[in-house]
Amino acid sequence: GENVEQHPSTLSVQEGDSAVIKCTYSDSASNYFPWYKQELGKRPQLIIDIRSNVGEKKDQRIAVTLNKTAKHFSLHITETQPEDSAVYFCAASRRGGADGLTFGKGTHLIIQP
Amino acid sequence: EAGVAQSPRYKIIEKRQSVAFWCNPISGHATLYWYQQILGQGPKLLIQFQNNGVVDDSQLPKDRFSAERLKGVDSTLKIQPAKLEDSAVYLCASSSLRGGLWEQYFGPGTRLTVT
Repeated sequence: GENVEQHPSTLSVQEGDSAVIKCTYSDSASNYFPWYKQELGKRPQLIIDIRSNVGEKKDQRIAVTLNKTAKHFSLHITETQPEDSAVYFCAASRRGGADGLTFGKGTHLIIQP
Repeated sequence: EAGVAQSPRYKIIEKRQSVAFWCNPISGHATLYWYQQILGQGPKLLIQFQNNGVVDDSQLPKDRFSAERLKGVDSTLKIQPAKLEDSAVYLCASSSLRGGLWEQYFGPGTRLTVT
């Protein structure tokens, strides 16, 4: 089955700086890659996703890139703000997201004031 | 639109007891998922339903876990008997096809503590 590796496990950045979280996947049939943000005690919230037919997608301060050949994808957050502090999970799925998601272990993002 | 609903929000039981969780997906969402999230880890898929049929239950510990979605809407997940390692948050999610794309939305979860 699919295996998703996520790095780093903890990331501390200064407010206003950029943050990058990286994930690799093993199943070449995976074609849907969402990112979820989870605040303490709350549900995971979808923040951005990318399908395998595109290499990059951007939504305001958040962007995701995908390299199908290398089987890795990354989350980029620019101009970080205190409210960006949370745990971020990458995931992968077949059938465009219709299948269940395989998640990475998460990255705890800490924004230092 | 209303989100995915789950109950109870919290449950504490002793090992070897049984417990059941309930999920009501977003209206019109045919696909429903149950995930287990152990503290400090990402969610792990337990079972996926399409309407009232099981699509994938390969990671469901079938000796103690069971799930059903009899009328293709609400779902229940049951653990019997519970073990200490079942302590986790149980997340229900549902998905729909929108604009040709699938998106999964999660409920608030049920936090289970087995003592």
